[in-house]
Amino acid sequence: DVVMTQTPVSLSVSLGGQVSISCRSSQSLVHNNGNTYLSWYLQKPGQSPQLLIYKVSNRFSGISDRFSGSGSGTDFTLKISRVEPDDLGVYYCGQGTQYPYTFGAGTKLELK
Amino acid sequence: QVQLKESGPGLVQPSQTLSLTCTVSGFSLTSYNVHWVRQPPGKGLEWMGRMRYNGDTSYNSALKSRLSISRDTSKNQVFLKMNSLQTDDTGTYYCTRDESHWGQGVMVTVSS
Repeated sequence: DVVMTQTPVSLSVSLGGQVSISCRSSQSLVHNNGNTYLSWYLQKPGQSPQLLIYKVSNRFSGISDRFSGSGSGTDFTLKISRVEPDDLGVYYCGQGTQYPYTFGAGTKLELK
Repeated sequence: QVQLKESGPGLVQPSQTLSLTCTVSGFSLTSYNVHWVRQPPGKGLEWMGRMRYNGDTSYNSALKSRLSISRDTSKNQVFLKMNSLQTDDTGTYYCTRDESHWGQGVMVTVSS
C-alpha cells in the first residue's frame, strides 16, 4: 500500500497568517495515464471531510484561492494564506492513484 | 444538487454483519463512482472500497474477505455489507461520490 506521511501533526497559526502542510508518499503518485491523483481535504469538527484540492493543484468548486496545492511525484504541499477562523480543523492528503486508496494521518490546524 | 446519505443500524453486535445503504440524488450511479470510507473515533480515514459507474467493484485488500459492495441503480442506492464485525470496526462510515462529495456519515458502534 502507498503510505502517505503528513507533517506536521499539528500547527498553530494566527488569524491572517500563512501555513504550509507537507504530504509525502512512499511511491510516485503519477498514474499510468499521466495524471497525479493527490487530493487535500479539510474536516471541520463534527463534519464530513470536504474536498479542497484535487489532482495536486486544482481547487474544487467554491474553494477560496487562499488555498493552493503544489508538488509532484512523491512530494506535495498545501498552502493556506490569510488564515480565517473557518479554516480550522484537520487537513488530510489522500491518493487515488493506486489501490487501495490511502490517506495521510492528518494535520490539525489550531489558533495560536 | 448532489447529495449522498448513509443509513443503517447504529449498534451491531460483535461477530455480526453490518449492512449500510447510501442513497444518492442529483446524479446517476451509472455515470459516477461511489466509495465507502470509514473513520474510527478520533482517528484518520480509511478507504474501504468502490462501486464503479459500470458496476465493477474494488476493495481494500485489508477488508476484502469481509466486505461486499453492491447497488440498485433503480433506487439510486449503493450497499455495503461487512461480516465478522469486531470492536475496532466501530466508527463513522461515509459514502462519497469520487473524492468530491461526501455524505454526512453514519456512526456504527460494535458492542455487545
